[in-house]
Amino acid sequence: SQQGEEDPQALSIQEGENATMNCSYKTSINNLQWYRQNSGRGLVHLILIRSNEREKHSGRLRVTLDTSKKSSSLLITASRAADTASYFCATDAGWSSGSARQLTFGSGTQLTVLP
Amino acid sequence: ETGVTQTPRHLVMGMTNKKSLKCEQHLGHNAMYWYKQSAKKPLELMFVYSLEERVENNSVPSRFSPECPNSSHLFLHLHTLQPEDSALYLCASSQPFGTGARNEQFFGPGTRLTVL
Repeated sequence: SQQGEEDPQALSIQEGENATMNCSYKTSINNLQWYRQNSGRGLVHLILIRSNEREKHSGRLRVTLDTSKKSSSLLITASRAADTASYFCATDAGWSSGSARQLTFGSGTQLTVLP
Repeated sequence: ETGVTQTPRHLVMGMTNKKSLKCEQHLGHNAMYWYKQSAKKPLELMFVYSLEERVENNSVPSRFSPECPNSSHLFLHLHTLQPEDSALYLCASSQPFGTGARNEQFFGPGTRLTVL
């Protein structure tokens, strides 16, 4: 199956609540990234966590990484209606050919924040 | 948006048509990517260009033909497509490996393609 599988596939919460999304992967990685996509738009990079890091914060975002379990979680605190989007994890297992970096994306979690 | 533009934003074409998607990045990156995003499926990496050379072609049918004339521009030429090729086609760019820069990818808004 795909490297980088998000769980749950869909999540619906009330504004002000916290949202937690999980990502599991299969191979060793250099880093793991989270992206956000509004409906029908391009992806926007949110945060990157390196394989030697365990936790990282950026504003209302908190990412954890457990390389022993090959899993990561994204926590959005105090959610807002504007956080409604799809969230994807992407794993960077290192450069493949040439000098371009490849990322492998999961299927995403659709987050709906109700006002 | 993010410094990566794509045109057209929407495209409807018949199976016998020939069309091209265009991507342009203004970020000074040297690596560019084409992805296909279908409903309920993970992003599928189609092609990777690094320093204007194609470095990855993930078993994409020959009815899709990429072109990278310079590091700022990327095209995807389409011909005799099938209805199952209908999807959102995303272009992205990044710094190449070894520059020390963060390797996140910057995406364009995508082209919504419908094949009739």
